[in-house]
Amino acid sequence: NAGVTQTPKFQVLKTGQSMTLQCAQDMNHNSMYWYRQDPGMGLRLIYYSASEGTTDKGEVPNGYNVSRLNKREFSLRLESAAPSQTSVYFCASSQGQGVEKLFFGSGTQLSVL
Amino acid sequence: TQLLEQSPQFLSIQEGENLTVYCNSSSVFSSLQWYRQEPGEGPVLLVTVVTGGEVKKLKRLTFQFGDARKDSSLHITAAQPGDTGLYLCAGRKAAGNKLTFGGGTRVLVKP
Repeated sequence: NAGVTQTPKFQVLKTGQSMTLQCAQDMNHNSMYWYRQDPGMGLRLIYYSASEGTTDKGEVPNGYNVSRLNKREFSLRLESAAPSQTSVYFCASSQGQGVEKLFFGSGTQLSVL
Repeated sequence: TQLLEQSPQFLSIQEGENLTVYCNSSSVFSSLQWYRQEPGEGPVLLVTVVTGGEVKKLKRLTFQFGDARKDSSLHITAAQPGDTGLYLCAGRKAAGNKLTFGGGTRVLVKP
């Protein structure tokens, strides 16, 4: 019962370094999402992919890029990390659009020094 | 200012007490969801409400969607330490399909 799997779980970067956060789901879901969570801010949508082959910006896309590699995988890339990107990142998936349930991974805690 | 405002931000109570968490907005939502998040984990969906005035019960948890579909509340009766966590409301506007989250209410139930 893997559900949504994110890697890595923890990461420390120096300002200017790049990295990719990986996410995979095994529920045959169409839609996938990347959120960041900061204290008192709830979850803010970075990018989402409504279906394989499509990606769209969310509320806070600046400084990030995404790739929907196939139906299972959706990666988030930080090209040049900044301290403001220190956060906990969550990947989620859902069956499709409309009123539906999001399934979340367990998160990646990223610190940018 | 967030689209969905949750109050209070933090709540600490003794086991057996009741508590209510509020989620308010000036916007109308076609549906509203409540999630619970435990430390080191992602949020897990508790309930979805879609009709104004709707009340749903999940064991000791009661969820209500406001008549005008702008607000919601979560009431926990006889709270237990297992209810400890971060409670997040999330709404979806009729015009779009993106989910907007509130800032969360951190609940601590002491034994």
